Formats: sequence, C-alpha cells, structure tokens
Amino acid sequence: DTGVSQNPRHKITKRGQNVTFRCDPISEHNRLYWYRQTLGQGPEFLTYFQNEAQLEKSRLLSDRFSAERPKGSFSTLEIQRTEQGDSAMYLCASSLRTGNDYGYTFGSGTRLTVV
Amino acid sequence: GESVGLHLPTLSVQEGDNSIINCAYSNSASDYFIWYKQESGKGPQFIIDIRSNMDKRQGQRVTVLLNKTVKHLSLQIAATQPGDSAVYFCAENMSGAGSYQLTFGKGTKLSVIP
Repeated sequence: DTGVSQNPRHKITKRGQNVTFRCDPISEHNRLYWYRQTLGQGPEFLTYFQNEAQLEKSRLLSDRFSAERPKGSFSTLEIQRTEQGDSAMYLCASSLRTGNDYGYTFGSGTRLTVV
Repeated sequence: GESVGLHLPTLSVQEGDNSIINCAYSNSASDYFIWYKQESGKGPQFIIDIRSNMDKRQGQRVTVLLNKTVKHLSLQIAATQPGDSAVYFCAENMSGAGSYQLTFGKGTKLSVIP
C-alpha cells in the first residue's frame, strides 16, 4: 500500500442517476477527507472522517451527498439524483497526525461527468 | 470571506532558471501552509509545508517563504526542470483551531520552456 487509491477513475452518468465512489486510504492513516475540484479551480473541502466518525461537513455537501467510512478504513461517497453541476473531480485524501506532520496525501481522484 | 489566493495565474520560465510562485492569504488565524503540485489527470502532490512559527523552510530544490506581516507565501523552485511543469496550489489550514480542512487557492500554471 503506497498511496491513496480511488475507484473508479472516471464515471459518466446520466442526470438523475445515483453514483458511488470508493476511496482506500493509506492503511495506517486514521483521517480521511473528500474534496471536489472543478476545472481551473483548487480543491474544495467536502467532509472529513477520523476513523469511522464524520467530524466535519462543508455546506457544499448537500442532502444529495452522503459519505461513509463504516469500519474506519475505506470510504464511499454517494451522490443521489446527479445534476450537471456535480460534474467535477472528486478527490480523496488521508493523513496521520504525528507531531507537526500531517502527511496529507491525495489520491488521483474520480472524474465525474454528468450528461 | 477570507481565502487563499494567488497573484499570477500563469508563469513561463526557461529550463534551468529559478521559479517563484506567490500566494496571498487573508485568514490571520491560519497557522499551517502547504504547497501542492498537480499534474494533469492526477491528484495534488505534496511539495513542502511550513508552520506559522517559521519564516523559511527548505526542501530539495524548493524553498517556501512565509511573511506573516503581509500575509504572503512563496514557493521557490531552483533550476526549474521540464518535469516541474504543472499547476501549483497553496493551501492553508487552522490547525490551532482543531481544523483539518485545507483551503486552496486557484492555482498557478508553471510552464517550463526547454
């Protein structure tokens, strides 16, 4: 396990369909984050887990979005009733706070296209 | 609202020259800053970080400078190489407030001319 793994890498879906993305963090990392990135912009924070507990949620995370990390390992991000505005790169990151070193590591992302 | 921003959206440099990428932040409560490099189709890659109790930190070919007086952050890349071509983001965090959320700026695209 050398990095954060995200699947699928690409997803094309029709408007109104539900989609689910998976993130496998670095195994010893207890913190997991979801970000969204649109073209030409920096990533925007969506939500954060410490182990299985979801501790922070952005206002960007509407009721159609839900994230889980049931066993404190992998996480899923589900978007219900997708809209064209949901088209973006969804990035997962993980970290382990040791002293002053976050070790914040991103995966390669899942690119979602809603048509 | 307060946010991290960048002065220049694009930067072109000759191979072998030094590059300087700038970033302004306005949240005085931020105490941890990170520079990321993002290549096309990939996630952001950690380059270097700095805490607010420091004003300079050096890595391999990279140096981050933090000027808290004017809320300015810069990334210096020495002897820029074609592989340095990417979009660079600065990000800020309020670790002292117990937040793990990073706030990113819009990014600067660095193009290295061979």
